[in-house]
Amino acid sequence: NAGVTQTPKFQVLKTGQSMTLQCAQDMNHNSMYWYRQDPGMGLRLIYYSASEGTTDKGEVPNGYNVSRLNKREFSLRLESAAPSQTSVYFCASRPSGTGYIQYFGAGTRLSVL
Amino acid sequence: RKEVEQDPGPFNVPEGATVAFNCTYSNSASQSFFWYRQDCRKEPKLLMSVYSSGNEDGRFTAQLNRASQYISLLIRDSKLSDSATYLCVVNIHAGGTSYGKLTFGQGTILTVHP
Repeated sequence: NAGVTQTPKFQVLKTGQSMTLQCAQDMNHNSMYWYRQDPGMGLRLIYYSASEGTTDKGEVPNGYNVSRLNKREFSLRLESAAPSQTSVYFCASRPSGTGYIQYFGAGTRLSVL
Repeated sequence: RKEVEQDPGPFNVPEGATVAFNCTYSNSASQSFFWYRQDCRKEPKLLMSVYSSGNEDGRFTAQLNRASQYISLLIRDSKLSDSATYLCVVNIHAGGTSYGKLTFGQGTILTVHP
């Protein structure tokens, strides 16, 4: 039972490079989320997708784009990486219904030099 | 003011101790409450939901005070394996829809030592 799978686990970029963080869930969940976690800041929502075909901005969307490719996959793209985007990125998913429990992937540790 | 605030700690306690964490939230529209646990360099995992009447799961007890907008987590008989960061998490409904968005506190670090 894989749950939420994120790739890659680690990445080092140079300023200005682009990359896409991949996330896939096998739990048939409707909603998916991207967060970043920085020391002393807690998790902050970047983008979310309430259902396949929809995406919406969260608290800190600047510098990021997302694609909800299908029900399983939700990717996060950095078009021109900046040192301020050095962080740990978590993808999460949530089943439909009134329970708001989210299930997280193992995270991607990104360093932008 | 942060929407969800926690004492970051760290709390250092001996095995067997009882420790309590507090959390306050600022938005009275908050309707769902959780404690998540995050081990070092790992993803957050649900520890327990928090219900209005309070609830218990083994050594863990969660309380909610809606009037004071306050949530607590009590850990009894602490184990070495309880060492982790504990995240207070709130679902805030906005305009009747929230798409399940969660707001996280910064976390409280707990270290249990022999």
